[in-house]
Amino acid sequence: DAGVIQSPRHEVTEMGQEVTLRCKPISGHNSLFWYRQTMMRGLELLIYFNNNVPIDDSGMPEDRFSAKMPNASFSTLKIQPSEPRDSAVYFCASSSAGVRSYEQYFGPGTRLTVT
Amino acid sequence: DAKTTQPTSMDCAEGRAANLPCNHSTISGNEYVYWYRQIHSQGPQYIIHGLKNNETNEMASLIITEDRKSSTLILPHATLRDTAVYYCIGDQGAQKLVFGQGTRLTINP
Repeated sequence: DAGVIQSPRHEVTEMGQEVTLRCKPISGHNSLFWYRQTMMRGLELLIYFNNNVPIDDSGMPEDRFSAKMPNASFSTLKIQPSEPRDSAVYFCASSSAGVRSYEQYFGPGTRLTVT
Repeated sequence: DAKTTQPTSMDCAEGRAANLPCNHSTISGNEYVYWYRQIHSQGPQYIIHGLKNNETNEMASLIITEDRKSSTLILPHATLRDTAVYYCIGDQGAQKLVFGQGTRLTINP
């Protein structure tokens, strides 16, 4: 199994530009999570999906952030417009629902730099 | 929701057992404790979890006190590759993992 796949691994963009981060969860997993990690705030849960449906988006910082999961094998996190304070490492994770739902598998992350 | 408290950093000699404490005095009876770790520049990795009984797997052992107010993660024979930030996480329900600052464990040769 290839694990959780994220792209791009690094993204540098200018303030005001749209940024789209992509995630492919582990095949067969039906829960998907987006996290953001910064030095100041640590690792924060932004949003998670069960069976492609958003369950909790209370961690999404503001309307500039949106996430979609059009099918079981793909999700996007979009920032529009981007700001320097959005610079962080964004992780995607997936898990199976049910008794092992706590065991989340994380991708390698996307390092976003907004200048 | 159980809050957890961990030391900021710890050191351990290679080959020795690394014992990482976690305080979760507000944990309720049906809340699990999960442990994850994050090696530099990688995503977090699940290690182990427990409710009441001590648990062991191929990575580590988890010792939970009888009153469940604290626990200890044990890496029995630490290697340099175990250098990482270790997170003790109280069950937040509904699949949510809330990561604190964790313990930065350094394994020294």
